[in-house]
Amino acid sequence: AQSVTQLDSHVSVSEGTPVLLRCNYSSSYSPSLFWYVQHPNKGLQLLLKYTSAATLVKGINGFEAEFKKSETSFHLTKPSAHMSDAAEYFCVVTRGYGQNFVFGPGTRLSVLP
Amino acid sequence: GAVVSQHPSWVICKSGTSVKIECRSLDFQATTMFWYRQFPKQSLMLMATSNEGSKATYEQGVEKDKFLINHASLTLSTLTVTSAHPEDSSFYICSAREVRASGDFSSSYEQYFGPGTRLTVT
Repeated sequence: AQSVTQLDSHVSVSEGTPVLLRCNYSSSYSPSLFWYVQHPNKGLQLLLKYTSAATLVKGINGFEAEFKKSETSFHLTKPSAHMSDAAEYFCVVTRGYGQNFVFGPGTRLSVLP
Repeated sequence: GAVVSQHPSWVICKSGTSVKIECRSLDFQATTMFWYRQFPKQSLMLMATSNEGSKATYEQGVEKDKFLINHASLTLSTLTVTSAHPEDSSFYICSAREVRASGDFSSSYEQYFGPGTRLTVT
């Protein structure tokens, strides 16, 4: 079975400072991993995905994530936070094509002026 | 590309009535669509997987007779909440997986999400 842990339910950073949102996964198979962002009362937007290619994945809006198999982690980072980054972030794991998505509990990112 | 729409975006209904939510893939064909439910400040919970032309597969604990799913075409799936009650109030989100015969397999894992439907039952 697969599972996803997002270690922080809430992260607060100041505008212009780095962002780190942590994600650890458990999977019996080589996983595919995703990060999605959800703004209040909105649907989900894909930030980036890892599907067994390069371990350092670059996404939209300056976000990137690194797949570390030895640590079973897929942490999301951004060098400089913007006010518009304030939202809920979900880490997702799937076993592969045709398999369901397993969502993490989410991390709420607050960006302080 | 890969846009998924939901209609309505929000709906208020009285207890005991039924509500239908539509999920459409606008620019691609989707053999599989998924329905999720999200409670306030919580993660998404998969309710069911909908395959075009066949019966939906429901997750454990989800009432099939209460949440009716129909996936009659490659671009449309519907979720009908029957005899709605206040505890059914929630944010319902659908997603769709594109049909890919070959090629970019990295995209084959992806689900494209709709904007969600806010259901309030009074």
